[in-house]
Amino acid sequence: RKEVEQDPGPFNVPEGATVAFNCTYSNSASQSFFWYRQDCRKEPKLLMSVYSSGNEDGRFTAQLNRASQYISLLIRDSKLSDSATYLCVVKGPFYNQGGKLIFGQGTELSVKP
Amino acid sequence: DGGITQSPKYLFRKEGQNVTLSCEQNLNHDAMYWYRQDPGQGLRLIYYSQIVNDFQKGDIAEGYSVSREKKESFPLTVTSAQKNPTAFYLCASSETTGASSYEQYFGPGTRLTVT
Repeated sequence: RKEVEQDPGPFNVPEGATVAFNCTYSNSASQSFFWYRQDCRKEPKLLMSVYSSGNEDGRFTAQLNRASQYISLLIRDSKLSDSATYLCVVKGPFYNQGGKLIFGQGTELSVKP
Repeated sequence: DGGITQSPKYLFRKEGQNVTLSCEQNLNHDAMYWYRQDPGQGLRLIYYSQIVNDFQKGDIAEGYSVSREKKESFPLTVTSAQKNPTAFYLCASSETTGASSYEQYFGPGTRLTVT
């Protein structure tokens, strides 16, 4: 089983649609959780951290369920500029290589006019 | 203008040659990391360093070497022993590895092609 698993993509949606990405992680001792965005042939950039109580940043909402070891990202009113690959990222426990980041393989989103 | 720089953006080498990828940061971060990314795969950790003059192997360190003589710099050498070196190499830094909330900032990456 992979340490971090994401929905296989790609997701092709029209502008204005709501789209949800799911992610599961295997190590219950994981410290913290993030969603990164990666544009084609570019470096990943932090989209948002994910907190246990859930958090929202504009059109983006992230949720964490520690009991189920499940993370989600919801994008409302999707824009053409949201087209990218979304990476689910988990920070492992400190005893595991200093709390390294573990990346999912990414889910590609394509928003069409 | 703070950030992480990697050079060059594209690099081409012949098989059997060692090559060194540059990574510099002016964010005053203690921790630095090297990842490689292959098409359709997540990033995989090659080496990381939590402090100057110290570094640790990641998940796929074989065929790579690093040094951390200065806080700002963490060069990666891809040696001829690396069996499949063609990949997108990303350098990152963060304030520390220990604290749970600190994000990692990435450089723009170097695309290495070995033929």
